[in-house]
Amino acid sequence: AQSVTQLDSQVPVFEEAPVELRCNYSSSVSVYLFWYVQYPNQGLQLLLKYLSGSTLVKGINGFEAEFNKSQTSFHLRKPSVHISDTAEYFCAVSKGDKIIFGKGTRLHILP
Amino acid sequence: DADVTQTPRNRITKTGKRIMLECSQTKGHDRMYWYRQDPGLGLRLIYYSFDVKDINKGEISDGYSVSRQAQAKFSLSLESAIPNQTALYFCATSGGGPVYEQYFGPGTRLTVT
Repeated sequence: AQSVTQLDSQVPVFEEAPVELRCNYSSSVSVYLFWYVQYPNQGLQLLLKYLSGSTLVKGINGFEAEFNKSQTSFHLRKPSVHISDTAEYFCAVSKGDKIIFGKGTRLHILP
Repeated sequence: DADVTQTPRNRITKTGKRIMLECSQTKGHDRMYWYRQDPGLGLRLIYYSFDVKDINKGEISDGYSVSRQAQAKFSLSLESAIPNQTALYFCATSGGGPVYEQYFGPGTRLTVT
């Protein structure tokens, strides 16, 4: 079975501070991994994805994620957050022809 | 214009009523999906379709049905709405398998009283 666990439901962080949103997956086979972002009152949009190759993946808006096969993790990072990063972030893993989403992590940016 | 549109954006209905949520896309994608979002539960797949003649159940299809009227249109119906179907519903499309990005509509907020 394939599933994804987001370890934090909410993460508060001060503006201009770094942030890490944690994601672990369970899978016995090769996986494709994704991070999607949902801004308030909007649908989801893709931040970045890992398919193969380099384990460090860069996405939009200064975000990056690192695929760690030994720890089955795909944590999302940004070195300096902005108020506009306030959103809910979803980690997702491929399952056959479908994608399974985590429960989401709300990022709160503190002034 | 948005690539994926959903109508209505908000709907309040009563228990037992039939309701249809509509989704249209201009991306030319074959694959379309309906998800439900509940606070703290993330997105759960209701139904998906890989082409006009292909309809598949997702993890929470009970109480829902779908119709793929054309490549660009995929509707979700609640035959007899119940309060625990109150949620945010998203339609999405993709150009292929899981390596392809899914493009989401803006969502329909449904309240069943």
